[in-house]
Amino acid sequence: DQQVKQNSPSLSVQEGRISILNCDYTNSMFDYFLWYKKYPAEGPTFLISISSIKDKNEDGRFTVFLNKSAKHLSLHIVPSQPGDSAVYFCAASPDTDKLIFGTGTRLQVFP
Amino acid sequence: DAGVTQSPTHLIKTRGQHVTLRCSPISGHKSVSWYQQVLGQGPQFIFQYYEKEERGRGNFPDRFSARQFPNYSSELNVNALLLGDSALYLCASSLDMGLAGDYEQFFGPGTRLTVL
Repeated sequence: DQQVKQNSPSLSVQEGRISILNCDYTNSMFDYFLWYKKYPAEGPTFLISISSIKDKNEDGRFTVFLNKSAKHLSLHIVPSQPGDSAVYFCAASPDTDKLIFGTGTRLQVFP
Repeated sequence: DAGVTQSPTHLIKTRGQHVTLRCSPISGHKSVSWYQQVLGQGPQFIFQYYEKEERGRGNFPDRFSARQFPNYSSELNVNALLLGDSALYLCASSLDMGLAGDYEQFFGPGTRLTVL
């Protein structure tokens, strides 16, 4: 069973606009949520995270929102840049550092 | 500083064979985790090793095994390969082992295994 879901396999956004990537989870025991970015031929790179005790975390152009009642989190990228084009993975973790990943969303930012 | 390194980069095996994948963590990192990423899916947790001991195991058959050496490098072994074992195998290292969010995990570029 897929405990972390990313229902949009791909997203295309114009440069300068906002990119919104969504993620849903099923396990209310998840304690920590992370977003990773992956370029071809490279391993995933940590982007931003949020603890379950918060509902928002911001780092530069990247903001993650957590809605625990809906078991939903989203990553906002503003403004989007062509270099942001990559596959984005949502990941969740219980009280350990084991990561449970979603299936990924391929973001393409075009000029 | 060098990141997490994995070898080999690519590997082709036939069904029934066994394979050994290698991972060198970032210098000073004591925890190593292995993940399997099948095409079109996200990475799936296989093992975590810390101080040469297995600290976590995902839902994988006993054909999968791993170990960590005194220098904290690690090997992932897969016996009796099946077609379904074809995947990208990712290694991640972290400074220490703790609760979620305590220590960032850094991933290597992976080993692409193809089973024919």
